[in-house]
Amino acid sequence: AQSVTQLDSQVPVFEEAPVELRCNYSSSVSVYLFWYVQYPNQGLQLLLKYLSGSTLVKGINGFEAEFNKSQTSFHLRKPSVHISDTAEYFCAVDNAGNMLTFGGGTRLMVKP
Amino acid sequence: NAGVMQNPRHLVRRRGQEARLRCSPVKGHSHVYWYRQLPEEGLKFMVYLQKENIIDESGMPKERFSAEFPKEGPSILRIQQVVRGDSAAYFCASSPGANNEKLFFGSGTQLSVL
Repeated sequence: AQSVTQLDSQVPVFEEAPVELRCNYSSSVSVYLFWYVQYPNQGLQLLLKYLSGSTLVKGINGFEAEFNKSQTSFHLRKPSVHISDTAEYFCAVDNAGNMLTFGGGTRLMVKP
Repeated sequence: NAGVMQNPRHLVRRRGQEARLRCSPVKGHSHVYWYRQLPEEGLKFMVYLQKENIIDESGMPKERFSAEFPKEGPSILRIQQVVRGDSAAYFCASSPGANNEKLFFGSGTQLSVL
């Protein structure tokens, strides 16, 4: 069985500061990895995904993530956050089954 | 260019009533997934359907819950005799094929059981 752990339930940060949202997963097989963002009262939007190839993945809104197989991590980063980045962020894995397994989410709170 | 459409957006039911949640996938998508998000938790997989077939219902409670995706019309998630613990956000997602690489999510239905 696979699992996803997002170590921080909330991350407060000031506007224009860098941010890292951590994600670790456990799986016995190769996985595909995803980051989704959920704005208040909305569904999930795909930020970025890792399927294969380069371990550094760039997504929308200036976000990027790095796949680290040895540490089974897929941390999300942004060098300078905006107020509009305030949202819930979910890491998810897919081991080529029928479903995505999601982490518990990290609430990013950007303060002016 | 409509995405995944879910209705109603909010649904209030009293204990013991039935809840019907509808999901119209992206046009041309024949694969539908239902996920449930309990308060302060991530999304949990419930069921995966293709047109007229249930492919994987391993995440669905064995009793009171059912899902369908008929040849014509939206996918329906049905919860009979709702209890307070069913209160959650229910999200539908669709994809053109049997993979999660091109998954589109709806805005969800917030079910509140009084």
